[in-house]
Formats: sequence, C-alpha cells, structure tokens
Amino acid sequence: DVKVTQSSRYLVKRTGEKVFLECVQDMDHENMFWYRQDPGLGLRLIYFSYDVKMKEKGDIPEGYSVSREKKERFSLILESASTNQTSMYLCASRGQDLEPQHFGDGTRLSIL
Amino acid sequence: LAKTTQPISMDSYEGQEVNITCSHNNIATNDYITWYQQFPSQGPRFIIQGYKTKVTNEVASLFIPADRKSSTLSLPRVSLSDTAVYYCLVLSYNTDKLIFGTGTRLQVFP
Repeated sequence: DVKVTQSSRYLVKRTGEKVFLECVQDMDHENMFWYRQDPGLGLRLIYFSYDVKMKEKGDIPEGYSVSREKKERFSLILESASTNQTSMYLCASRGQDLEPQHFGDGTRLSIL
Repeated sequence: LAKTTQPISMDSYEGQEVNITCSHNNIATNDYITWYQQFPSQGPRFIIQGYKTKVTNEVASLFIPADRKSSTLSLPRVSLSDTAVYYCLVLSYNTDKLIFGTGTRLQVFP
C-alpha cells in the first residue's frame, strides 16, 4: 500500500510565524501535491511537483511556497502565517498518469 | 473538467448493500471515474477507479454504463465503519486537478 505521511496531525501557530508542513511518501512517486480542505469549499490545490526541484502553482498559491529537495519529500511553507490559513492541509502523491492520488491523513493547522 | 453530481446524503443499515450513483454528463473520451472515501479528520482514501463496464476490488464495485454519463459505487454489506463521505471524481489524462464536490454522506445505522 502507498504510504503518505504528514509530520503533524495537529499544529497551532501564531500570526506572522513561518510554518513548515512536511510530507513523505514511500512509493517512489514523482508527483506530489498539497491541498487545503475547508468546509463548503472542498479540496483546493495549492502547489504540486512533478519532480525533484520542480514546482507548479495550483489554484491558490498565494501566501504559500514549497520545497522538493528529495523525491520522497514535499514541504509546504507558510511564509508569514495568517488566520485565514487556518485549515486542514492534505498532501498527496501519484505514480503514472491516470493512477489515483493517495492522500496522507492531513494536518489540522490553527493560526491564532 | 467534467462536473459530477451525487446525492448529498444516504442512510443505510448494517448488512445492506449501498449503491451511490454519480452523474458526469460532460465526461470526455479519455477520462476515468474515481471514488474516494473520507472519514472526519482524515485524508481521502482511494476506493476504486474505472473506465467502463464493471470494476470490482476487495471493498467495492463500480458500474459504468455504456454512455459513461453516470457511474454507481456499490458497497456490499455495509458496516458501521463505512459511515463516511464518498466522493466521485472524473480523472482526466494529463491533468492533476481533482475536483472534490460535496460528496455523499453515508450514515450506516445498527
């Protein structure tokens, strides 16, 4: 089974802090994704990466950046956290085209 | 990207078969249909994916008619632990934009 591991299940940070969310997958997938999920808005794609050191903006990249230094690890960075970034953050990875994305269990992030 | 429509909620009892239908009228020739399950405070879990006719795995079956404008996820003999939200998505080749709609909230009663 594909295993996507997010480093924290719950995280509380303060406004203005720089926040790092880590994601690791064990299936040698080239493609990795970061989403946020909010009630009534579904999942929204923040950033994705097709390879090491490559990144592409999703639908809502503002206020976020990413890092992909190793194939198995994809990090989401909140440069200066704000309260409207309080959300459930989900990481996913995928193998070849048309293979399904596999998700981690999410990080529920609260920005105070 | 094809839009999907599915019932907002369904109720069932343990041991029953549950069928959740999803419509995707604008599905393109090369698109696949994918279903996910999500429990509260967890990430979506892939259940099944298909292109046409019938696909079966250890947890579910997926029925897709010839016109592919709809699909039905079938869960045999549900248990309380199947209470979750089920999402139907259309997966397009060469795009990673997954559009999760509101899903179907399945409640299984004892």
